[in-house]
Parts: sequence; C-alpha cells; structure tokens
Amino acid sequence: NAGVTQTPKFQVLKTGQSMTLQCAQDMNHEYMSWYRQDPGMGLRLIHYSVGAGITDQGEVPNGYNVSRSTTEDFPLRLLSAAPSQTSVYFCASRNYLDRDGYTFGSGTRLTVV
Amino acid sequence: KQEVTQIPAALSVPEGENLVLNCSFTDSAIYNLQWFRQDPGKGLTSLLLIQSSQREQTSGRLNASLDKSSGRSTLYIAASQPGDSATYLCAVLYGNNRLAFGKGNQVVVIP
Repeated sequence: NAGVTQTPKFQVLKTGQSMTLQCAQDMNHEYMSWYRQDPGMGLRLIHYSVGAGITDQGEVPNGYNVSRSTTEDFPLRLLSAAPSQTSVYFCASRNYLDRDGYTFGSGTRLTVV
Repeated sequence: KQEVTQIPAALSVPEGENLVLNCSFTDSAIYNLQWFRQDPGKGLTSLLLIQSSQREQTSGRLNASLDKSSGRSTLYIAASQPGDSATYLCAVLYGNNRLAFGKGNQVVVIP
C-alpha cells in the first residue's frame, strides 16, 4: 500500500515553462487536494476535488490547473511558471467518511528561475 | 474565512519535560481537527485526528484535546525525547473539504 505518491521530488523550471506535478493514491479516496508550503505562510490550498470529474478552487488557484479523470490521479499543471511559484507542493487525500483524516504525499520541491 | 493560530511559534524544552502546544481557530463550524508532525525537508505525518463530536484523542505519549465551542485544541506530549524535535502542525477541516493550517509549533528537545 503506497499511500499518496508524488512525482517528481525535485524540479527546476525556467520562467514561462509549463509542467505537470503528478499525484496518485491507491487508497480509493474520494477527496484529493493540492497545497503549497512557503516559509512564514504555512500550507495553503490550491485546488481540490471531491471525486472524479469534480474540481474546485482553493485559496491560491491562480496560475494552476487541475483535472480529475480517475479516482486515483490528481495532476497539478503549472501553465506558465513564475518565480512566485517556487515552493514545496503537497498532494493529500482522504476517504469521504474521514475516519483517518488526510494522508499527505512526500512533496515536490519546485524552483522557478 | 477560517484562520488557525498556533502558539508558541517555537519552543525549546529539556528532555523529559512535558510539551504543551496550543492551536486556536476562528470558526467553530469544523468537521474535525488533525495534528501533524513535519521533519525538516519532509512531508506531513498524521499524529491524531479528533472528530468534532469528540473531546480528546490519545496515542501513546500524545494526547490532543478539542474544545470546539471556544475554538481551541491542545497537543500534549509526555516525557519529551530528542526524537520529538520537529514542527507540529494543526489543521481544521471545514466548509466544502477545506483544510486550514496553522503555521506550526517548532519544537526542539534538548538532550
């Protein structure tokens, strides 16, 4: 049981490049979310999904797109990377009954130069 | 908007002392509260989950209480050890699947 798997672990992008951060979970969780963590700001919600085909914006959605075509996968797309998107990105998932709370991936450290 | 505050931001204690970490939230309409541990450069590890109907949860040396009406939770770590050194994050689940985090309590346990 792998839990929540994020790839890549590290990435360096040039300003203006696009990329996709991958997130996959094998726990059949309905709910999935993306967060970014910045020094002094804590973790902030980017986008979330309550099931396949359903997504919504969080606190800081600008510059990011998501889709949820399967229960297992929830990729985060950076459309045109900016230095302000330098951060650590975490994906998380939970069962809708929420008996165990959220499970987090190990994170992707992204640097935009 | 739900806001979560953790006090103190940082603390150091000698090994063996009990740790008391505080978390407060502004909107009492929460589904649950979750405490996490984060080591430097690592992900979040769930420690305890308290449902909104519960008053406390315990796991080994850890005990977390919840007073939803006053918007407070406290995490107690008994007989602290150097391995307890980490950042502890409090998060509340509210609204439509939204998890709001505090900025953390950075703990150093001195041998």
